[in-house]
Amino acid sequence: GAVVSQHPSRVICKSGTSVKIECRSLDFQATTMFWYRQFPKQSLMLMATSNEGSKATYEQGVEKDKFLINHASLTLSTLTVTSAHPEDSSFYICSASREETTYSPLHFGNGTRLTVT
Amino acid sequence: AQTVTQSQPEMSVQEAETVTLSCTYDTSESDYYLFWYKQPPSRQMILVIRQEAYKQQNATENRFSVNFQKAAKSFSLKISDSQLGDAAMYFCAYRNDGATNKLIFGTGTLLAVQP
Repeated sequence: GAVVSQHPSRVICKSGTSVKIECRSLDFQATTMFWYRQFPKQSLMLMATSNEGSKATYEQGVEKDKFLINHASLTLSTLTVTSAHPEDSSFYICSASREETTYSPLHFGNGTRLTVT
Repeated sequence: AQTVTQSQPEMSVQEAETVTLSCTYDTSESDYYLFWYKQPPSRQMILVIRQEAYKQQNATENRFSVNFQKAAKSFSLKISDSQLGDAAMYFCAYRNDGATNKLIFGTGTLLAVQP
C-alpha cells in the first residue's frame, strides 16, 4: 500500500489565490521530504528539500516566497502556492524516504494536479 | 553538477519481446546510487529497480534487469517478456551518496507495448 499520501489529488483555483498541498508519510517518520514539479510529458524537477523543524532548501530558480514549504512534524510537509497564476499550473509530487539512508528509495505521493484559471 | 540523459524519448516493443532503455549520467563522485522509476498514466511513481555504484553485479528484479557500466557511466534497463502493463514513462534517476538524498531524474522514455 501507499506509504506517502498526498492531498488533494486535483485542485482548480482562480488566479491570485493560494493553494496548499499536503504530503504525509503514513507509517514512518520522515525528517526530509522532497517536492517535485512535472510539466506535461516532461521530467520531474526538484523544487525544494523540506526539512523538519528548519527552513526548506530551494533549488536554483525556485521562488521561495511563491512556493512556501512547512515541515512542522515528522510526518507532514505542506507546499503552499501563493498568489497562483496560470503558469503555476502543473503536477506537483512529494516524496520521502522510509529510512535516512541514501540507498533507501524515495516513495512518492500520487501527486497533485494544479490548474489555475 | 550531476546530469542524467535518456536519449530515447519514445520506444515501442511487441508483447512478450525484450526491450532495452538507455540511460547515461555524468558525475565526478565514486559512490552513488542509480534507480529506474516507472510512471504509468496514473502518474504514480513506482520504483522498478536500483543499483549501488560500488556493486559490480547488475541488479535484477524478475523481468527487469540493468546493465551497469560504471566506467562508461551507463545504466540501461532491460525488460524481458514485455507485458501490456509495462507501458509507461520510464525515468532513470541518480542520487549521490550524501546527506541530501535528492534524486536527479532523466528526461524519461515513453514505452509503448504493442499487443
